[in-house]
Amino acid sequence: EVQLVESGGGLVQPGGTLRLSCAASGFTFSSYWMNWVRQAPGKGPVWVSVINGDGSTASYADSVKGRFTISRDNAKNTLYLQMNSLRAEDTAVYYCARDHASDIWGQGTMVTVSS
Amino acid sequence: DVVMTQSPLSLPVTLGQPASISCRSSQSLVYSDGNIYLNWFQQRPGQSPRRLIYKVSNRDSGVPDRFSGSGSGTDFTLKISRVEAEDVGVYYCMQNTHWPRTFGQGTKVEIK
Repeated sequence: EVQLVESGGGLVQPGGTLRLSCAASGFTFSSYWMNWVRQAPGKGPVWVSVINGDGSTASYADSVKGRFTISRDNAKNTLYLQMNSLRAEDTAVYYCARDHASDIWGQGTMVTVSS
Repeated sequence: DVVMTQSPLSLPVTLGQPASISCRSSQSLVYSDGNIYLNWFQQRPGQSPRRLIYKVSNRDSGVPDRFSGSGSGTDFTLKISRVEAEDVGVYYCMQNTHWPRTFGQGTKVEIK
């Protein structure tokens, strides 16, 4: 079964850091571009970042550029999102999603930035 | 950024009746390869988004055939031929022709 499972969310103070993980199974992970998408409470999804199959190319939304870093470990079938200098407006459920057209999504992990 | 505008934002529907959601993009979604990368997602209450339609009109595996997508250029539509109780949720369009990927603001489908 094709599956994505996120972890690493939690409560963090403004200015803090957090690292999210997304464990993939049921498909050849290294063959796919992977995305992070976030959804603030009561709002629609917003694309955050993408990385290509071998990890050599990444792109970011302007709102997180310079603060977030996407990476992957194909040997572990795992996608990461390193989040630094967190702000209240980063509060959201963070999803990983497969491929350019986001055909598979995980269940999400909640990140709350608050003092 | 490409702005995706959905209408209506709220759609009360009687069970068994049809429903239609519009999505308009601020730029053409035709990619250089000739394809249009416009997708539709369903998000049931408390769940993750689930893709229903890709490249305008292609249904994902397991998606009931009462769901259909159509459109071209900048104007797209998701139709549900006969709404069932399990169709309650929020529907989003998303384009992956241009960077950054962008979503519509969502249409909430509820039963009257």
